[in-house]
Amino acid sequence: EIVMTQSPATLSVSPGERATLSCRASQSVSSNLAWYQQKPGQAPRLLIYDASTRATGIPARFSGSGSGTEFTLTISSLQSEDFAVYYCQHYNNWPPYTFGQGTKLEIK
Amino acid sequence: EVQLVESGGGLVHPGGSLRLSCAASGFTFSGYAMNWVRQAPGKGLEWDSGISGSGGSTYYADSVKGRFTISRDNAKNTLYLQMNSLRAEDTAVYYCAKGPIWSAGKYMDVWGKGTTVIVSS
Repeated sequence: EIVMTQSPATLSVSPGERATLSCRASQSVSSNLAWYQQKPGQAPRLLIYDASTRATGIPARFSGSGSGTEFTLTISSLQSEDFAVYYCQHYNNWPPYTFGQGTKLEIK
Repeated sequence: EVQLVESGGGLVHPGGSLRLSCAASGFTFSGYAMNWVRQAPGKGLEWDSGISGSGGSTYYADSVKGRFTISRDNAKNTLYLQMNSLRAEDTAVYYCAKGPIWSAGKYMDVWGKGTTVIVSS
């Protein structure tokens, strides 16, 4: 089973600043990686798939990069609605799908 | 509008059974793989099971294999999860999530709001 590790566990950033979230896979997942956003009491929402493709309706301030075992989600200028928990998930050599443990993005 | 609405959650005793349903609308249900993903209280996301668009291929996490059964009724646009031999550690919000294509093994592009399962004596 591929283990996904996200860092940091919590990231404190001021509105308007840039946030960089990391996700590492225990073995190569090629570009088969997705990012999700989850706000309290809500379902997850797909942000990025295939490591760098934004899902429908996702603002351009969200971008994904990486391949193999190292991935990054960047939010270029944080808006108030961006403070949430973010999860990465691989879909290479599955089942099972596995998710990272999440990064909580909080207001500084 | 694409919509997924889960139901069937509730309180069940350890060892008991429950069947979850997910009603889909706004898309051609049979054309897409579907999944169940759980989230225990205060914890992260955990994939449980997936099924291809036709229902002919099913997939399970080791933690639920032999206890849970995923199925779908494409005529009713409904996904199911039959949960047997429930344990306290199965307590979670269960989300129904749609795949982007007919075959399973991809990301999940639409999620329902979830239904809560509590396993307790």
